[in-house]
Amino acid sequence: GAGVSQSPSNKVTEKGKDVELRCDPISGHTALYWYRQSLGQGLEFLIYFQGNSAPDKSGLPSDRFSAERTGGSVSTLTIQRTQQEDSAVYLCASSRSGGVGGYTFGSGTRLTVV
Amino acid sequence: KNEVEQSPQNLTAQEGEFITINCSYSVGISALHWLQQHPGGGIVSLFMLSSGKKKHGRLIATINIQEKHSSLHITASHPRDSAVYICAVRNLDRGNQFYFGTGTSLTVIP
Repeated sequence: GAGVSQSPSNKVTEKGKDVELRCDPISGHTALYWYRQSLGQGLEFLIYFQGNSAPDKSGLPSDRFSAERTGGSVSTLTIQRTQQEDSAVYLCASSRSGGVGGYTFGSGTRLTVV
Repeated sequence: KNEVEQSPQNLTAQEGEFITINCSYSVGISALHWLQQHPGGGIVSLFMLSSGKKKHGRLIATINIQEKHSSLHITASHPRDSAVYICAVRNLDRGNQFYFGTGTSLTVIP
């Protein structure tokens, strides 16, 4: 597709369950970012992938959070043993290397932990 | 203390007015971004700046690296400009980490 695709668009899960969120970036975009936006809060950086380099995981809030990017394309953000404070909109963005041409954001996955 | 501060937090303007949103930051940066988020909508990247000024349509973004300050201007504002505008900086000292302002909620009244 022409844009960044995220799935699912909405996810309700029980506390303690694991969830996987998917991001399909724009073809040819080597940089991929995950952010989250909690209710009433600003955007929070989570993790950054650039090509085949080791990802920058400095924004991950705990070891329950992890992300992979297979083949330099699709990325999966996994949250283990979800907690209520994990409820947020999780956004993915992609760009060419160095941000050339700007960033394109996906429409996000709204995660609700009950 | 937030690394990125935006002002104002909320702004209401009449259609046609000239609007300025300010962003100050306290860290060394490699780039500054202005983002737009419409209510219930996605986020769009408006500008990426490392120096000087950029213009796109009715939007103008400026940055003063020495003063660690950026402004987003909207000329001839329109109700469709109503959105949250977010300033984000890419931290030079901490690799690729971004810091985000809390956003400015703009409402343009017809």
